[in-house]
Amino acid sequence: AQRVTQPEKLLSVFKGAPVELKCNYSYSGSPELFWYVQYSRQRLQLLLRHISRESIKGFTADLNKGETSFHLKKPFAQEEDSAMYYCALSGRAGANNLFFGTGTRLTVIP
Amino acid sequence: KAGVTQTPRYLIKTRGQQVTLSCSPISGHRSVSWYQQTPGQGLQFLFEYFSETQRNKGNFPGRFSGRQFSNSRSEMNVSTLELGDSALYLCASSLGAQETQYFGPGTRLLVL
Repeated sequence: AQRVTQPEKLLSVFKGAPVELKCNYSYSGSPELFWYVQYSRQRLQLLLRHISRESIKGFTADLNKGETSFHLKKPFAQEEDSAMYYCALSGRAGANNLFFGTGTRLTVIP
Repeated sequence: KAGVTQTPRYLIKTRGQQVTLSCSPISGHRSVSWYQQTPGQGLQFLFEYFSETQRNKGNFPGRFSGRQFSNSRSEMNVSTLELGDSALYLCASSLGAQETQYFGPGTRLLVL
C-alpha cells in the first residue's frame, strides 16, 4: 500500500536560513512525487513534481529511491514561503489519484 | 483562464440527510478528482472521473458517489450523512492522467 509521511507538523526557520521539509514514501512500484503548497487563504497549488526537475520559487526536491525520500529544500527562506506544504504520491500509471502526507506548516521568521 | 470553481462554498446539513456538491473544471480539462480533507485524516482521495466515467475510486463507503457530465462538470453526492462527513471537499481538474491537478477552493460541509 502507498503511504506518504511528513514527520514535521510544524517547522520554523529564520529568514535567509536554509529550509528542508522532509517527505518519505512507501510504494512498491515507481511513484511520481509532488509537492503542493497552500498559502494563507489560497487554494492548494502544485509547487513542483519530480519528473519535471524544475526549481520553482527557489525550491528543489530530489527523489531518493534508496531512502524512499523526496525532501523539499530551499537554500534561503523568504517570509513569503510561509505556508502549508504537502508531499503527495501518484502511483498507478494512468491514475490521477494523489496520496497526500499530513502536511508541514512552515513559518519563516523575519 | 478561469480556475476550478466549486459550489456551494459552505453547507450545513443534519445527520441522515443527503448532499450534492458541484465542481466546474478548467475549460478543456476532462479529468475531475475529488478529495476529502479533515483535521484527523488529512487529504484523502475519493474518486476520479474522466470523460464521464469513473476511472479510480478511493476507500470510501458507497454513500459517497459521483458523476461527470458531458461538459466535464462533476457532482459528488453523499447520502445518509454522518457527523464524520464534516469536512472540506476539494475537487481538482487536469487535462488527463498524471497531469498537473488544479484545485478548487473547496466546499466546507458541516453535519450537525
